[in-house]
Amino acid sequence: EPEVTQTPSHQVTQMGQEVILRCVPISNHLYFYWYRQILGQKVEFLVSFYNNEISEKSEIFDDQFSVERPDGSNFTLKIRSTKLEDSAMYFCASNVAAEQYFGPGTRLTVT
Amino acid sequence: GQQLNQSPQSMFIQEGEDVSMNCTSSSIFNTWLWYKQDPGEGPVLLIALYKAGELTSNGRLTAQFGITRKDSFLNISASIPSDVGIYFCAGQLWDDKIIFGKGTRLHILP
Repeated sequence: EPEVTQTPSHQVTQMGQEVILRCVPISNHLYFYWYRQILGQKVEFLVSFYNNEISEKSEIFDDQFSVERPDGSNFTLKIRSTKLEDSAMYFCASNVAAEQYFGPGTRLTVT
Repeated sequence: GQQLNQSPQSMFIQEGEDVSMNCTSSSIFNTWLWYKQDPGEGPVLLIALYKAGELTSNGRLTAQFGITRKDSFLNISASIPSDVGIYFCAGQLWDDKIIFGKGTRLHILP
């Protein structure tokens, strides 16, 4: 069964460093998303992406964040200068209809 | 903004018992989704509801979309140990972001 994959599963970085989180959405899906989940809290929407551009972004998704679909399969989230409060699980999701499927997540730890 | 109120926050039940949790919103959503999340993993879609009043089952799970499109419940019958986890309700506008509830943490006592 097709699934969303994410790499790496765990990323440790120092404050101020740039990180790139990678996702491979399900191949025939057209809409892509990033969410984050701070430990013990609910999943929060960051950004949606369709037709090679951002459709919507939350107030969390500030200028430090960017997304890209560099080729036909990958979807990336870049955090330009990480802060301690960026430590969280980051989930990629994709859908072609209403049913959104999530990847296993990348745990980002900023020290 | 759109928010979902999910209850209860946590539940402690005996194996074999039935479980019921619900979700309400002040906003109308096109689609309601129920996800389960195991520790350290991503949310897994359990049930999707598209029509007001729709009642849908997936094995031991049953969910209904409220007539007003502002609420939903999820029932789990005859709970088993692998049902342990966090259950999230989520509302979605067509092809739009998902708004998650805060989750119901299900604990099963031996």
